Amino acid sequence: DTAVSQTPKYLVTQMGNDKSIKCEQNLGHDTMYWYKQDSKKFLKIMFSYNNKELIINETVPNRFSPKSPDKAHLNLHINSLELGDSAVYFCASSHPGSRGKTQYFGPGTRLLVL
Amino acid sequence: DQQVKQNSPSLSVQEGRISILNCDYTNSMFDYFLWYKKYPAEGPTFLISISSIKDKNEDGRFTVFLNKSAKHLSLHIVPSQPGDSAVYFCAAISNRGNTPLVFGKGTRLSVIA
Repeated sequence: DTAVSQTPKYLVTQMGNDKSIKCEQNLGHDTMYWYKQDSKKFLKIMFSYNNKELIINETVPNRFSPKSPDKAHLNLHINSLELGDSAVYFCASSHPGSRGKTQYFGPGTRLLVL
Repeated sequence: DQQVKQNSPSLSVQEGRISILNCDYTNSMFDYFLWYKKYPAEGPTFLISISSIKDKNEDGRFTVFLNKSAKHLSLHIVPSQPGDSAVYFCAAISNRGNTPLVFGKGTRLSVIA
């Protein structure tokens, strides 16, 4: 009965590869997010989708492409991985009417690019 | 440019005493503030929040204080328990439009038995 789940939990890959991280929430929320926590521990928003529509797109390289097949899923595809992409990526969701305040986070995906 | 700052990377407190975690912000558009708690290998979980129309919000052992003029908020945990040992993130958001939640860098709290 996991609320926000992410797969995989760990991802080790070579530079230049393309990889995807999947996120699913079973809370009935309509807004989903991707965050990056880098080595300096900052947790920064990357994207936000509301009902499958992109509403927030921070300054993120276009090698990162979110895809929302339905409002319960928000996947993150990363092309041509670079060393600096190594980080922990968190998916989150928020319920209608909260205006993004209280967010529920997944356990994170630890990406290591070699 | 950090809009939300947690200047203490770590804090150690004896069990039963008060833990005080501090947070400063620079963006005067922020009008809602939250604290999240994070255990290792887990995602952050919501702990407590406060709107800018209030200066205090209490939930059990957790109280958040907001000083708008100083752009400062603090989280008080009393009494502190070993299970409170975690990283605490301060976050802020503006109610205007589709603005993102902005997080501080976190403070690692260790409660010593």
